[in-house]
Amino acid sequence: QSVLTQPPSVSGAPGQRVTISCTGSSSNIGAGYDVHWYQQLPGAAPKLLIYGNTNRPSGVPDRFSGSKSGTSASLAITGLQAEDEADYYCQSYDSSLSGSVFGGGTNLTVL
Amino acid sequence: QVQLVESGGGLVTPGGSLRLSCAASGFTFSDYYMSWIRQAPGKGLEWVSYISSSGSTIYYTDSVKGRFTISRDNAKNSLYLQMNSLRAEDTAVYYCARGYKFGGNWGQGTLVTVSS
Repeated sequence: QSVLTQPPSVSGAPGQRVTISCTGSSSNIGAGYDVHWYQQLPGAAPKLLIYGNTNRPSGVPDRFSGSKSGTSASLAITGLQAEDEADYYCQSYDSSLSGSVFGGGTNLTVL
Repeated sequence: QVQLVESGGGLVTPGGSLRLSCAASGFTFSDYYMSWIRQAPGKGLEWVSYISSSGSTIYYTDSVKGRFTISRDNAKNSLYLQMNSLRAEDTAVYYCARGYKFGGNWGQGTLVTVSS
């Protein structure tokens, strides 16, 4: 059971928009700690996608965007492409655990 | 460009030890906190440990406290994870990552398998 809750899977057709939610609590996201997102392509290491809730590292397409509100955060992907098929993880800091925590991951399928 | 290359993984029996290494290049290693993050087969990610740029601040997740030791050699641009008293549940791919608030860059990972 992960501290941050993500849907196990989401899917969408090419060109569509999908969102992945990340629900936390008052000791992590709700406490104001930043949320970060990672993309893990099949057989590869995770890659930073969004940091500090809304910021994209250099090279990440603007089709990817992050948001945060209350005890939750979301990753939105627009103009879905086949190459977006991957696992996506959210991450934040938890004051009760005094450490960083991840969501359980969401598998994105492009139909 | 930033490059992180892990090594040292392998098969070890329960109770055994391994030392993982991470060779860093493409950035000023001594300026950055560094972390170890692991992923059990078919499972999610777990932040294992991090160390400050000078080595003075260290964090471990509860499940490895007293068994794992993180260290670094800034002169060699290298990060280490000494893992003792290994258990089956430590079986995972171990990634080296730059940073501690989030993983800005990751290595390709090294697989540690604990099994008799």
